[in-house]
Amino acid sequence: QVQLQQSGPGLVKPSQTLSLTCAISGDSVSSNYAAWNWIRQSPSRGLEWLGRTYYRSKWYKDYAVSVKSRISINPDTSKNQFSLQLNSVTPEDTAVYYCARRNDYEAFDIWGQGTMVTVSS
Amino acid sequence: DIHMTQSPSSLSASVGDRVTITCRASQSIASYFNWYQQKPGKAPELLIYAASSLQSGVPSRFSGTESGTDFTLTISSLQPEDFATYYCQQSYSSPFTFGQGTKLEI
Repeated sequence: QVQLQQSGPGLVKPSQTLSLTCAISGDSVSSNYAAWNWIRQSPSRGLEWLGRTYYRSKWYKDYAVSVKSRISINPDTSKNQFSLQLNSVTPEDTAVYYCARRNDYEAFDIWGQGTMVTVSS
Repeated sequence: DIHMTQSPSSLSASVGDRVTITCRASQSIASYFNWYQQKPGKAPELLIYAASSLQSGVPSRFSGTESGTDFTLTISSLQPEDFATYYCQQSYSSPFTFGQGTKLEI
């Protein structure tokens, strides 16, 4: 049974970096069929896909244009997890952040529990 | 980006009712289309993938159809646990966009 467990702070100061980690159990971050995603949800933006990383003989990363200059998603094969870093945050980045697996039939079938991140001084 | 327009934004219904939620894509997405259910304080859960395939463990009262760029989620007989918010999502191309949601209320 695949599970995703998120960790990271719930409060970040403006201009600082938001960092979250998603630990994978029951699957591998190096899977040749899955992709590992970050999605956020806020009342103003709804559900917003932020980006993904996946392995197909080499590592790929793909980011939403809205955050492309500020985001980094990285796999950690030694710990079987992946991370999100979002730089230079503003109150607009306040949201619930989810990690999710996109499977071989192109759907987000497994989600983390969500982390409410507030950007405030 | 592919825009997903979902309707209605909210819907009132009763236990036992048949309800339909629709979603329109701004361009052709073939069958790269999914439906999710979200309950308060929880992550979304996959209901239907590839427009009409039922995710494992999802009751058969849920079904999905497609017609061109129009997609429909039908719940044949509402149960108390079905009152939630439903989202559509396209997986055709990045960025993978969601509809704005339909809140199904009693």
